[in-house]
Amino acid sequence: QKEVEQDPGPLSVPEGAIVSLNCTYSNSAFQYFMWYRQYSRKGPELLMYTYSSGNKEDGRFTAQVDKSSKYISLFIRDSQPSDSATYLCAMREAAGNKLTFGGGTRVLVKP
Amino acid sequence: SQTIHQWPATLVQPVGSPLSLECTVEGTSNPNLYWYRQAAGRGLQLLFYSVGIGQISSEVPQNLSASRPQDRQFILSSKKLLLSDSGFYLCAWKPPWDAYGYTFGSGTRLTVV
Repeated sequence: QKEVEQDPGPLSVPEGAIVSLNCTYSNSAFQYFMWYRQYSRKGPELLMYTYSSGNKEDGRFTAQVDKSSKYISLFIRDSQPSDSATYLCAMREAAGNKLTFGGGTRVLVKP
Repeated sequence: SQTIHQWPATLVQPVGSPLSLECTVEGTSNPNLYWYRQAAGRGLQLLFYSVGIGQISSEVPQNLSASRPQDRQFILSSKKLLLSDSGFYLCAWKPPWDAYGYTFGSGTRLTVV
């Protein structure tokens, strides 16, 4: 079993729709949670990060963490064609340096 | 501001040939440095990380090695490439005190033929 599971997609939505992404994990020691966006043939860029359970909002993006269920989510409101990319969840323990990634979900926002 | 440079962007190498990928960071000191590999359509797998000059931690035993000869330079090497070494290699850095601030380079797409 992988430490972090993420549906590979692709997830296709019309422009303006809400995009809903999620990851599940098995390691209860994970404390820091991140979402990255990766365009084709580019390096990932950090979108959102959270520490505690609950919601965090930044513009069109909302990140949720439910540590009791070992489940994290990212919502993108008013999606745009420029949001078409692969979204990767990542997480790490409080100690150490290892950032563990999900496999990524490919998102297509159609005009 | 801090920037990360990674080169080359694309590389095609024959099986059995050596490999050297270089990554440098500007605008910071004593960064944590990382090498990741991403197989097609897959997530990122941590290969090596370094918290200081000459300090290398290996996450996956394999045909690759890493070195940190200078504070802001991280090199990924192989003496003899295998077909299975093909992939997208990403260098990243993070301030030691920052839990979230992993910044990735633009990557090197390696194809072993």
